[in-house]
Amino acid sequence: KQEVTQIPAALSVPEGENLVLNCSFTDSAIYNLQWFRQDPGKGLTSLLLIQSSQREQTSGRLNASLDKSSGRSTLYIAASQPGDSATYLCAVRPRKGSGSRLTFGEGTQLTVNP
Amino acid sequence: DTEVTQTPKHLVMGMTNKKSLKCEQHMGHRAMYWYKQKAKKPPELMFVYSYEKLSINESVPSRFSPECPNSSLLNLHLHALQPEDSALYLCASSQPGLAGDYNEQFFGPGTRLTVL
Repeated sequence: KQEVTQIPAALSVPEGENLVLNCSFTDSAIYNLQWFRQDPGKGLTSLLLIQSSQREQTSGRLNASLDKSSGRSTLYIAASQPGDSATYLCAVRPRKGSGSRLTFGEGTQLTVNP
Repeated sequence: DTEVTQTPKHLVMGMTNKKSLKCEQHMGHRAMYWYKQKAKKPPELMFVYSYEKLSINESVPSRFSPECPNSSLLNLHLHALQPEDSALYLCASSQPGLAGDYNEQFFGPGTRLTVL
């Protein structure tokens, strides 16, 4: 059974700092991995999707990497801003043809202090 | 348009009420999902519809009844709920791939449900 772990569970940083959020998964037979952001009481916003054949994806100040063989992904946030404060969730999708279930991590709650 | 909409935003209901949650997307996606999320926990999958047919039911109690009237709409009918069913209910959609795989999921803002 796939298990996804996110470390740390919570992180507080001063504005302007570069930071890394970690996601690890136990079964490397994934199809893709998706990073989400969730503000309190709101839905999930998709940030980046990395296919299993890719090593990284970039969107603005965000960069996500994937090392499938070691079961790890990182989300790098450059020059953090107070508006980045939210919970960040990673989710893995099983290998092709195995259905649509996403397995989520518990999330990292990020606070960026002005 | 990469938007999934959900109505209502908030819903308070008694244990004997019948209510429905609605979800709509106009991205042409043919897979739609219902999730339940409790506070400080990740979303839990409830149902998946693929091409308007129910493909996954994660052993959800029968007091939750999904319906997919067409490719853009997804409903969740609620009846005789319990207080522990209070949660944020999220709808999502994605485009199925060519070989049974699934692509990026887009989520709606959710309905905050309180059962008294």
